[in-house]
Amino acid sequence: AQSVTQLGSHVSVSEGALVLLRCNYSSSVPPYLFWYVQYPNQGLQLLLKYTTGATLVKGINGFEAEFKKSETSFHLTKPSAHMSDAAEYFCAVSGPYTGANSKLTFGKGITLSVRP
Amino acid sequence: GAVVSQHPSWVICKSGTSVKIECRSLDFQATTMFWYRQFPKQSLMLMATSNEGSKATYEQGVEKDKFLINHASLTLSTLTVTSAHPEDSSFYICSATHYEQYFGPGTRLTVT
Repeated sequence: AQSVTQLGSHVSVSEGALVLLRCNYSSSVPPYLFWYVQYPNQGLQLLLKYTTGATLVKGINGFEAEFKKSETSFHLTKPSAHMSDAAEYFCAVSGPYTGANSKLTFGKGITLSVRP
Repeated sequence: GAVVSQHPSWVICKSGTSVKIECRSLDFQATTMFWYRQFPKQSLMLMATSNEGSKATYEQGVEKDKFLINHASLTLSTLTVTSAHPEDSSFYICSATHYEQYFGPGTRLTVT
């Protein structure tokens, strides 16, 4: 079974500051890891994903995440926050079967606020 | 490409009635679709996995007779909430798979 832990429910940063959203996972098999963003009353948009290969993954809108197996982490970062980054962010893990038909297990999400 | 739509985007129904939510993959065929439920300020909880032409697989604790899922074609899955009650009020999101999961915009259900 897989699980995802996103500590804290709310992160607030100033515009232009570093964004760091933490995600730790538990998986008995090599995980596929995902970060999604959700704007109010909308569905989820994929920011980036790790499957295999390079552990530093770059996504859309300037976000990136690094898979650290030893720390079972997949933290999301962005060097400089923009007002439009304010949203809900979900980390997710899939498995044990690989591929698009795998079930996703989501963390509880983190609300990112960006101060002017 | 890879657009998933849901209809309706929001619906209000009276307690005891049934409501159907459609999930369509607009520009691809999806053999598998997933249905999620999201309560305010909470995460997405997988309700069921819907495979075209076969019965849906429900997650533990989800009442299959209350949440009827039909995946009649490679582009359409429907979720019917039968005999809805106020506690069924929630945000329902579907996803369709095409190399990865693509999410619909969600349906806000309010049961009065």
